[in-house]
Amino acid sequence: EPEVTQTPSHQVTQMGQEVILRCVPISNHLYFYWYRQILGQKVEFLVSFYNNEISEKSEIFDDQFSVERPDGSNFTLKIRSTKLEDSAMYFCASEGQGFIGELFFGEGSRLTVL
Amino acid sequence: AQSVTQLDSQVPVFEEAPVELRCNYSSSVSVYLFWYVQYPNQGLQLLLKYLSGSTLVKGINGFEAEFNKSQTSFHLRKPSVHISDTAEYFCAVSRQGGSEKLVFGKGTKLTVNP
Repeated sequence: EPEVTQTPSHQVTQMGQEVILRCVPISNHLYFYWYRQILGQKVEFLVSFYNNEISEKSEIFDDQFSVERPDGSNFTLKIRSTKLEDSAMYFCASEGQGFIGELFFGEGSRLTVL
Repeated sequence: AQSVTQLDSQVPVFEEAPVELRCNYSSSVSVYLFWYVQYPNQGLQLLLKYLSGSTLVKGINGFEAEFNKSQTSFHLRKPSVHISDTAEYFCAVSRQGGSEKLVFGKGTKLTVNP
């Protein structure tokens, strides 16, 4: 069964460092998302990506965040200068054309900022 | 904007007992409704969704949910739970129209005891 894969599963970094979280969505999917979940809180939408551009982003997704799909398979989330409050589980998801709301999620990347 | 409230953060039940996980939503526009499940150390997986039509929706693993527009609710039910149903369950909503972002509730941890 096709699946979304995320790397790394866990990353520990120092405040102020750059972090790149990687995702390989399901190959024929067209819509891509990043969500995050701070421990004990809701799963929050960060950004959606379609047709090689951001289609929507949340207030959380400020100038420190960026996404790209560099090679047609990977979908990355970059945090330029991490803050303590960026510590969270980050989930990548992809969605096929016409499958409304049927997101396929990866297992998540846990980011710990010290 | 849409919001989701899951009234119970934890629900313990005994095996073979029925269970109901409650979800209420708020929105000024028409929405689609979803339940996702997250098993330990896995990504979120779609259980069922309501887009239109019959208000009683059946999903995988014997779960069902009923959309109640007047009460703005979408409660999840299962008549007889198994140990393997132990997981975290997330209710989510999106605006109608296309591939819109999902807005999640905080989740309900269901623990099924022998």
